[in-house]
Amino acid sequence: EAQVTQNPRYLITVTGKKLTVTCSQNMNHEYMSWYRQDPGLGLRQIYYSMNVEVTDKGDVPEGYKVSRKEKRNFPLILESPSPNQTSLYFCASSLGGGGEKLFFGSGTQLSVL
Amino acid sequence: SQQGEEDPQALSIQEGENATMNCSYKTSINNLQWYRQNSGRGLVHLILIRSNEREKHSGRLRVTLDTSKKSSSLLITASRAADTASYFCATDAGSWGKLQFGAGTQVVVTP
Repeated sequence: EAQVTQNPRYLITVTGKKLTVTCSQNMNHEYMSWYRQDPGLGLRQIYYSMNVEVTDKGDVPEGYKVSRKEKRNFPLILESPSPNQTSLYFCASSLGGGGEKLFFGSGTQLSVL
Repeated sequence: SQQGEEDPQALSIQEGENATMNCSYKTSINNLQWYRQNSGRGLVHLILIRSNEREKHSGRLRVTLDTSKKSSSLLITASRAADTASYFCATDAGSWGKLQFGAGTQVVVTP
């Protein structure tokens, strides 16, 4: 089944403790992206990647890191999480660029205490 | 910054009625997409309309695009309880990789 898999689904952590949210897609998609969703603000793009070793900042990249060492994986790294990063996070992928149909993961609800 | 903004923010209708929501955007676009989100889950793509298209249909969905007014509408005909969800428009303004989403319209369909 074609899908984007995010883990974990829920995560509670404390300020400053490094964490990684994993994302994997099995559709051989070139493009992958991370979004955060906050009430009333819709989805805001954090980082995106056009292909292996090619990443770029979205609208809200501060406090986040990404890497794209393999085509299928695009982990999101919070090296020193803060409470303002408490949010619902989504990974998405598409065959081509960001203007094409996106396939989304199920989301990761992160709480930073 | 949000490119697309949906209106209304919330919509409550009964089964069988039609639901209409609008999306306005600020800059020229290559295409506009609509997505559905059920209760905090991942978004699901509904339909994509390109800037040179004026109307598109998919099942009970009808999307229009008016580039002169920089607006789009999504019509769901004969609504069902299963249509209860949040609906988002997303615009591709040509900045490669940057698909921008609005804040969404929350639709509740009561039996």
